[in-house]
Amino acid sequence: KAGVTQTPRYLIKTRGQQVTLSCSPISGHRSVSWYQQTPGQGLQFLFEYFSETQRNKGNFPGRFSGRQFSNSRSEMNVSTLELGDSALYLCASSPSGGRALDTEAFFGQGTRLTVV
Amino acid sequence: AQRVTQPEKLLSVFKGAPVELKCNYSYSGSPELFWYVQYSRQRLQLLLRHISRESIKGFTADLNKGETSFHLKKPFAQEEDSAMYYCALSRQTGANNLFFGTGTRLTVIP
Repeated sequence: KAGVTQTPRYLIKTRGQQVTLSCSPISGHRSVSWYQQTPGQGLQFLFEYFSETQRNKGNFPGRFSGRQFSNSRSEMNVSTLELGDSALYLCASSPSGGRALDTEAFFGQGTRLTVV
Repeated sequence: AQRVTQPEKLLSVFKGAPVELKCNYSYSGSPELFWYVQYSRQRLQLLLRHISRESIKGFTADLNKGETSFHLKKPFAQEEDSAMYYCALSRQTGANNLFFGTGTRLTVIP
């Protein structure tokens, strides 16, 4: 079974630009969540998508948005990039069928975003 | 709001010694608690969850609702246990939204 795949692995963007990151979940998984990891703040939950709908949201500004397609693939977009957006962005997929034992998140290797 | 606290950033123990990684949480509802681990050059992965009440790789964790703690324990540390450990909380059963602590880097000294 293929794992969670994130593309690209590395990105360098200029302040003020926008960026789109992609995540392909494990086949059959309907939930995709996004996390930001920085040395200062650690791992922070951005949002979760389930069946193409945002189901949960963390405490990030509206510049951070996402979407999920009918095949469960997800994209995350950050507009008007700031230097502080430099981070490792992790995607995690889960069956999340509502049962407690479905709550195992399988993580991708992440996209390293550097804003200059 | 929810919060997960891991008071130790770094923890070093000798091989064969007991290990305890501390985790405290605050949340007004009934959370699910997890331990995730990241070995060197590997992805973040689930180690164990409180609802399963299982032992994985010799590790156990008991949810103490009175003390709002979910400490991770192992009686005899092994070198391969060296890794970054994260305690995490989910607000919903079966949902994929995790709130993480800042992590503890465990080093097992041979």
